Amino acid sequence: DVKVTQSSRYLVKRTGEKVFLECVQDMDHENMFWYRQDPGLGLRLIYFSYDVKMKEKGDIPEGYSVSREKKERFSLILESASTNQTSMYLCASSLLSSGANVLTFGAGSRLTVL
Amino acid sequence: GDSVTQMEGPVTLSEEAFLTINCTYTATGYPSLFWYVQYPGEGLQLLLKATKADDKGSNKGFEATYRKETTSFHLEKGSVQVSDSAVYFCALNDPGSSNTGKLIFGQGTTLQVKP
Repeated sequence: DVKVTQSSRYLVKRTGEKVFLECVQDMDHENMFWYRQDPGLGLRLIYFSYDVKMKEKGDIPEGYSVSREKKERFSLILESASTNQTSMYLCASSLLSSGANVLTFGAGSRLTVL
Repeated sequence: GDSVTQMEGPVTLSEEAFLTINCTYTATGYPSLFWYVQYPGEGLQLLLKATKADDKGSNKGFEATYRKETTSFHLEKGSVQVSDSAVYFCALNDPGSSNTGKLIFGQGTTLQVKP
C-alpha cells in the first residue's frame, strides 16, 4: 500500500524555536506538497515541489521554508515559530503525470506553538 | 483567482438519511473536480473525482456530477451510515498545473451521523 509518512503526529514548541516537519513517501512520486489545515479555512498550500531541489511558493509561504534534497523526502521548516503557526500540517504527494492530480496525504502533524 | 465554496457545517443526520453537501467553484479554465474525505485522526483520502462536464464520480455509495452550467459538484448519498461521519472537502485542480498537481480546496464540511 502506498504511503506518505509524517514523522511527528503531535508537537509542542515555544515561540521562536526552529521547527522541522518531515515527510517521506514511498511511491516514487515527483510532486510533493505541504498544506496547512485550519477550521473554517480548509487546506491552504504553503509550498510544493515537483522535483528534487525544486520548490515553489504556494498561497501562504510567509514564515516557512522547505527542503527537498531527495525525491522521497520533503521537509517543512519554521525558522522562528510563532503562535499563529499553531495548526495541522498535511503533507501530500502525486505523480507528475497523474492527469487528474490525485493526491495521497499523510496523517498530519498537529503543531502547537506556545 | 480560482476558488471552491462549500456549504457550512456541521451537518448532523440520522442513520439512513439522505445526504447532500453543496459545492460550487470558480475557475477560468476547465478544472477537474474532487471530493476528499478525512476520517477522525487521519489524513485526507480521495473519495471521487470527475474530469469533465457531465461526468459523474461515484464511490462507496457517494455520487457527484460535474455541472458546468451551474459550476457545481454537489456530493450526495442516499443512505448515510455512522461510519460516514467525517470531514468532506471539495477541491479543484488549478487548470494551469496539470504537471504540478496543485489542488484548491474548499473549507470542508463536517458530517456527523447519529445512530
